[in-house]
Amino acid sequence: QVQLVESGGGVVQPGRSLKLSCAASGFPFSNHAIHWIRQAPGRGLEWVAVVSNDGGTIYYADSVKGRFTISRDNSRSTMYLQLNSLRAEDTAIYYCVREPYLVVAVATFYFDWWGQGALVTVSS
Amino acid sequence: QSALTQPASVSGSPGQSITISCTGTSSDVGGYNRVSWYQQHPGKAPKLLIYEASNRPSGVPDRFSGSKSGNTASLTISGLQAEDEADYYCCSYRSGSSYVFGSGTRVTV
Repeated sequence: QVQLVESGGGVVQPGRSLKLSCAASGFPFSNHAIHWIRQAPGRGLEWVAVVSNDGGTIYYADSVKGRFTISRDNSRSTMYLQLNSLRAEDTAIYYCVREPYLVVAVATFYFDWWGQGALVTVSS
Repeated sequence: QSALTQPASVSGSPGQSITISCTGTSSDVGGYNRVSWYQQHPGKAPKLLIYEASNRPSGVPDRFSGSKSGNTASLTISGLQAEDEADYYCCSYRSGSSYVFGSGTRVTV
């Protein structure tokens, strides 16, 4: 059974850092691109970043570029999101999300499996 | 990054059909057939309903259907059921290697 389990959320002061992890199981992790998507309390969904199956291609939303870093360790079936210079508007549930594939390393442009999310609260 | 435009709310009676629109630009919805739709119940993670504008994954009831014309994509729910009460989001790939979501639509049955 496919599982994506986020961890590392919590309360952090503005300007500080936090690192989220996403442990995957139940599928060939190294075949899939993985995204982070966030949702502020009571608000809509916002795409944050994506890392390709082999970690070689990475893209970020403009709102987090230069502050957040996405990475993955295929040997541990785990991906990470390093959040630096945090702001109040970064407060959200952060979802680890799988992108399906038909051919490895070829994007499919949608999301077929979501974790339950990790809450990050930026507050003084 | 401006969100795709969706109606804030849509309501219908059990058994009726409703349609949710999702309007973007030629840089996202209109430029690619890479529109997907997600259903989110309160306190839950989103669930994939439609991909590539009109394809339904296995396990999603055929009451859910998608289409696209120009810069606007649509999700139709036929034979509305109580369990369809949820938030619905469209999403599109956007030129420049990013993704944009719709503002979300609350469906009330």
